[in-house]
Amino acid sequence: AQSVTQPDIHITVSEGASLELRCNYSYGATPYLFWYVQSPGQGLQLLLKYFSGDTLVQGIKGFEAEFKRSQSSFNLRKPSVHWSDAAEYFCAVGVFYSTLTFGKGTMLLVSP
Amino acid sequence: DGGITQSPKYLFRKEGQNVTLSCEQNLNHDAMYWYRQDPGQGLRLIYYSQIVNDFQKGDIAEGYSVSREKKESFPLTVTSAQKNPTAFYLCASSTTGQGPDTQYFGPGTRLTVL
Repeated sequence: AQSVTQPDIHITVSEGASLELRCNYSYGATPYLFWYVQSPGQGLQLLLKYFSGDTLVQGIKGFEAEFKRSQSSFNLRKPSVHWSDAAEYFCAVGVFYSTLTFGKGTMLLVSP
Repeated sequence: DGGITQSPKYLFRKEGQNVTLSCEQNLNHDAMYWYRQDPGQGLRLIYYSQIVNDFQKGDIAEGYSVSREKKESFPLTVTSAQKNPTAFYLCASSTTGQGPDTQYFGPGTRLTVL
């Protein structure tokens, strides 16, 4: 069965420090991958997506993610976290002619 | 501005009552989706529609119903058969619903059943 795993439920990072959020997937076919961010009580906003080509993708708000096929991973990174980055982050994976499967999310807390 | 609207933002109902959540989009997207979000559970797909007058069940369709009479609208009815309806409901849309479409989300409706 297809699955998406975000191993970290919560992560706390100091403001200005680097960030990496993990996402692992289990799919039989070549997937397409997304990262979304959600502020409390709001909808989801797309940060970035990978369909094909360069495995390092750049997104909004200074985020980037790298697709590693050999590790079935699509980890999200940011070199310097700002207090406004505190939110919940969701990885989502899909294949052609299927709907998306979302991970359970990682809550990012930013300490001063 | 193009986007997805959901109304109301907060909704309270008594147990045993049906309730309908509104979702409208002006992005000219063919596909629309309803998700349920519970703390620590991520997003779970309730129903989706790739074309007017057609829709498919998602992973947790029991106790819910939908209609798609217009391209712009995809209302969700939470029926009294849904055993635990209190949750945050998100509507989304995408261009075609096939292939690597990006889904765009509305602001959500928080339903509380008393």
